[in-house]
Amino acid sequence: GAVVSQHPSRVICKSGTSVKIECRSLDFQATTMFWYRQFPKQSLMLMATSNEGSKATYEQGVEKDKFLINHASLTLSTLTVTSAHPEDSSFYICSAPPPRQWNRDTQYFGPGTRLTVL
Amino acid sequence: AQKVTQAQTEISVVEKEDVTLDCVYETRDTTYYLFWYKQPPSGELVFLIRRNSFDEQNEISGRYSWNFQKSTSSFNFTITASQVVDSAVYFCALASYNQGGKLIFGQGTELSVKP
Repeated sequence: GAVVSQHPSRVICKSGTSVKIECRSLDFQATTMFWYRQFPKQSLMLMATSNEGSKATYEQGVEKDKFLINHASLTLSTLTVTSAHPEDSSFYICSAPPPRQWNRDTQYFGPGTRLTVL
Repeated sequence: AQKVTQAQTEISVVEKEDVTLDCVYETRDTTYYLFWYKQPPSGELVFLIRRNSFDEQNEISGRYSWNFQKSTSSFNFTITASQVVDSAVYFCALASYNQGGKLIFGQGTELSVKP
């Protein structure tokens, strides 16, 4: 079953509104989570690293005031797209590395959130 | 700088054909990881393989095989006897050993397998 969940899976909003996307790790704690963005027919681009108990680290070119990240607990990170515009329409995916003792080869990805801004 | 290049944007094959997806990477790290993921139309990423930079052994898993060549910085993926269910976008990705969570993805190759 899924070990990282995202909510909502789809959201449609009007231009100018803010949208919050949740990423939860199920059955394990994640001090670090990652947020990626994927435009249609394009690759996944890392937006930021979410750190529990400290500020998020943003990749170059990503506006931190536009994309607010809060790692509220060891199992929850939220991405808020503030004052969304049509160009923010994208597929947002979060991921979390599993505990080392699980000895997994990959981090776990959430199922993604498709944001459409009208 | 790190970079992953998947030169093939789209590939179309007929069922039962073999198909190879190319992946070339750039990194200055001596230790790193390489990955392949499958992304079906639903959007959820499906992990296929991880290879450590110090392990150049090729790997076979059922109809899937991977050819890792450090000399040419390539990590190619072959599907043997392709099936319609293999239709998806495939991503090659790179991560530094000490930043295992931060993946650098290639542009992706959209594979279409026709019956």
